[in-house]
Amino acid sequence: DIQMTQSPSSLAVSVGDRVTITCRASQSIASYLNWYQQKPGKAPKLLIYAASTLESGVPSRFSGSGYGTDFTLTISSLQPEDFATYFCLQSYTVPRAFGQGTNLEIK
Amino acid sequence: QVQLVQSGAEVKKPGASVKVSCKASGFTFTVYHMHWVRQAPGQGLEWMGWINPNTGGTHFAQRFQDRVTMTRDTSINTAYMELNSLKPDDTAVYYCVREGLMGAAPFDHWGQGTLVTVSS
Repeated sequence: DIQMTQSPSSLAVSVGDRVTITCRASQSIASYLNWYQQKPGKAPKLLIYAASTLESGVPSRFSGSGYGTDFTLTISSLQPEDFATYFCLQSYTVPRAFGQGTNLEIK
Repeated sequence: QVQLVQSGAEVKKPGASVKVSCKASGFTFTVYHMHWVRQAPGQGLEWMGWINPNTGGTHFAQRFQDRVTMTRDTSINTAYMELNSLKPDDTAVYYCVREGLMGAAPFDHWGQGTLVTVSS
């Protein structure tokens, strides 16, 4: 099974900061990597799929990169509504696997 | 618009079973694989398995293999997930999720979640 290791688990940040979150797969998953945002009490929301494609309606301050085993989600200038938990998901094979999550907290 | 509407919260005793429904609308139900994902309180996301609504074919995570059933009723565009032999650590929010058709087949739409509480 493919394992996804996400870091950091939490991050204290301020509005306007540039934020980088990483996910590493235990084996190559090509570009089958997706990023989600989850707010308390809500279902996750798709931000980026296929490693770097922005989902419709998602602000352009979100971007993704990577291929193979190492992937990055970047928020170029953090906005107040971006404080949330972020997860990666590999969709290369079953069983699907999520990263452990990164919680963005207010500094 | 795409909607996945799940059944309401459940409280169950250890050893019991729970069946969660997920009614789909706004898309052709039989075209998209449907997955089930759960999230224990304060924890991350855990994939449970998927069903092909067209064929009824399923694939489960190994840890749920002997306890989970996934079915569908195409006449009412509804998927079901039944979990047996419930334990307290099955307490979680259970989500049905649509697998998109675009590159990398992401989970592109999620139900609102169903809280299942297992307690004696």
